[in-house]
Amino acid sequence: EAQVTQNPRYLITVTGKKLTVTCSQNMNHEYMSWYRQDPGLGLRQIYYSMNVEVTDKGDVPEGYKVSRKEKRNFPLILESPSPNQTSLYFCASSFSRGSWFFGPGTRLTVL
Amino acid sequence: AQTVTQSQPEMSVQEAETVTLSCTYDTSESDYYLFWYKQPPSRQMILVIRQEAYKQQNATENRFSVNFQKAAKSFSLKISDSQLGDAAMYFCAYRSAGGSQGNLIFGKGTKLSVKP
Repeated sequence: EAQVTQNPRYLITVTGKKLTVTCSQNMNHEYMSWYRQDPGLGLRQIYYSMNVEVTDKGDVPEGYKVSRKEKRNFPLILESPSPNQTSLYFCASSFSRGSWFFGPGTRLTVL
Repeated sequence: AQTVTQSQPEMSVQEAETVTLSCTYDTSESDYYLFWYKQPPSRQMILVIRQEAYKQQNATENRFSVNFQKAAKSFSLKISDSQLGDAAMYFCAYRSAGGSQGNLIFGKGTKLSVKP
């Protein structure tokens, strides 16, 4: 089944404790992206990748890191999480000029 | 920069009736793609329908159809024969076909309620 998977689906952590949210797609998509969704602010892009080893900042990249060492994986790293990073996070992937397909979301709470 | 505006924060429709959700966008590009996504209470983002800007014909997917007015930069979603399962947040989104196609730009969403 073609899909985008994210892990974990739910995470509660404390300020400053490094964490990684994994994202994987099995559709051989070139593009991958991370979004966060917050009430009243909608969905905002954090980072995206056009292919292996090619990444670029989105609208809200501060406090996040990404890497694209393999085509199928695009992990999101929070090196020192803070409470303002509490949010619902989505990973998505697509072909060039294609439709974006989303993972199920990761609900992160930073205490 | 491109923007997407959904002017209806909330809409309501009676089951089996038809409802239209509005979306306008701003861009200086001529080649791009427009989407409607559905987000039910499960929070999953589900692709409803896609429209290529170079196609004059409006896209349809079963009970879902769009009215794409390129000159007016308008992209509305019509849901026919509304069902209880259509209750969700609906997001309009824009994707460039050019150099900035790495970003999918979303509107703020319209919350659709379906009354039995």
